[in-house]
Amino acid sequence: AQSVTQPDIHITVSEGASLELRCNYSYGATPYLFWYVQSPGQGLQLLLKYFSGDTLVQGIKGFEAEFKRSQSSFNLRKPSVHWSDAAEYFCAVGAVNQAGTALIFGKGTTLSVSS
Amino acid sequence: GAVVSQHPSWVICKSGTSVKIECRSLDFQATTMFWYRQFPKQSLMLMATSNEGSKATYEQGVEKDKFLINHASLTLSTLTVTSAHPEDSSFYICSAPGTLSSYEQYFGPGTRLTVT
Repeated sequence: AQSVTQPDIHITVSEGASLELRCNYSYGATPYLFWYVQSPGQGLQLLLKYFSGDTLVQGIKGFEAEFKRSQSSFNLRKPSVHWSDAAEYFCAVGAVNQAGTALIFGKGTTLSVSS
Repeated sequence: GAVVSQHPSWVICKSGTSVKIECRSLDFQATTMFWYRQFPKQSLMLMATSNEGSKATYEQGVEKDKFLINHASLTLSTLTVTSAHPEDSSFYICSAPGTLSSYEQYFGPGTRLTVT
């Protein structure tokens, strides 16, 4: 069965420091992979996605992620974190279910940014 | 860009009553919408897929008689929690797929339901 694992429940990073959020997936075929960010009072916002092609994908707000098939990973990175990046981050994989398509989410990683 | 709204953003109801949550696509049409449930510090769990003009498809373990879904138009889907119990308290989120890929979804801001 398809699944997504985000090993880190909570991460604290100093403002200006680099960030890496881990995501591992389990999926039989070539996966469609996503990173979403959730801020209080706001809906999930898509940061970036991987469907095919270049394994290093660029997203909004300076985020990037790298798809590594051999490691079944899709880690999210940012070279310099800003205080406004503090939020909940979800990795997701696209899957096929009885209704057609669905997103399977990891449990999320809470990012705190210290000054 | 594609915007999805939800109403209300927060609702409190008493046990045994029913509550309706609306999900609207504001600037695009959505023949399909998705309803998720999110517990505190937990992931989003897909409850059901709402289809305009036909019955919703529920995920395994979701009580279709308790969580009534109606996709009345190309811009509106509703979730009604019937005979609510405190354990139904949760954060309910809807989404609609983009035009390029059904996997790429636009999410509403969510509705916080508290059942007392």
